[in-house]
Amino acid sequence: GENVEQHPSTLSVQEGDSAVIKCTYSDSASNYFPWYKQELGKRPQLIIDIRSNVGEKKDQRIAVTLNKTATHFSLHITETQPEDSAVYFCAASKSWGKLQFGAGTQVVVTP
Amino acid sequence: DTAVSQTPKYLVTQMGNDKSIKCEQNLGHDTMYWYKQDSKKFLKIMFSYNNKELIINETVPNRFSPKSPDKAHLNLHINSLELGDSAVYFCASSQGTDRGAFFGQGTRLTVV
Repeated sequence: GENVEQHPSTLSVQEGDSAVIKCTYSDSASNYFPWYKQELGKRPQLIIDIRSNVGEKKDQRIAVTLNKTATHFSLHITETQPEDSAVYFCAASKSWGKLQFGAGTQVVVTP
Repeated sequence: DTAVSQTPKYLVTQMGNDKSIKCEQNLGHDTMYWYKQDSKKFLKIMFSYNNKELIINETVPNRFSPKSPDKAHLNLHINSLELGDSAVYFCASSQGTDRGAFFGQGTRLTVV
């Protein structure tokens, strides 16, 4: 089955700097890659997603890149703000809604 | 409010009891899910229903039984609760099976 590895497990950045989270997936047939943000005690929220026919997608300060050949994808957050502090999860799926999640990255943005 | 809502938000119960968690979505989605988030925050899919039909049934003890009376509802019944069942259970929904899911607020289950 699909296996998704996510790094780093924790990431501390200064406000205004960029944050990058990387994920690799094992099943090359996976074709959908969402990212979720989970604040403490809250639900995971979809923040951006990318499909396998696209190499990069951007939405304001967040962007996701996908390298199908190397089976990895990354989340980039620019100009980080304290409200970006949360746990971020990557996920991958190939069909039938079976999202396989990474283990999560705790992002701490310090003022 | 347009949302995925689940009840109860908190559930504390003794070992051996049977309990249910209810979930409803008013987003018009045709696919619903149950996820379990353990103490290390790891999210794992348990079940998925598409148009009331079970399409994903992961390796979950058969003490867990989902039920989808219609496309907008997916309930989870757990028999003979064990200490290891303590976790946060999230309901989610999506339109189609190849889209990102929208999560409910979670049910924190504590088995004592």
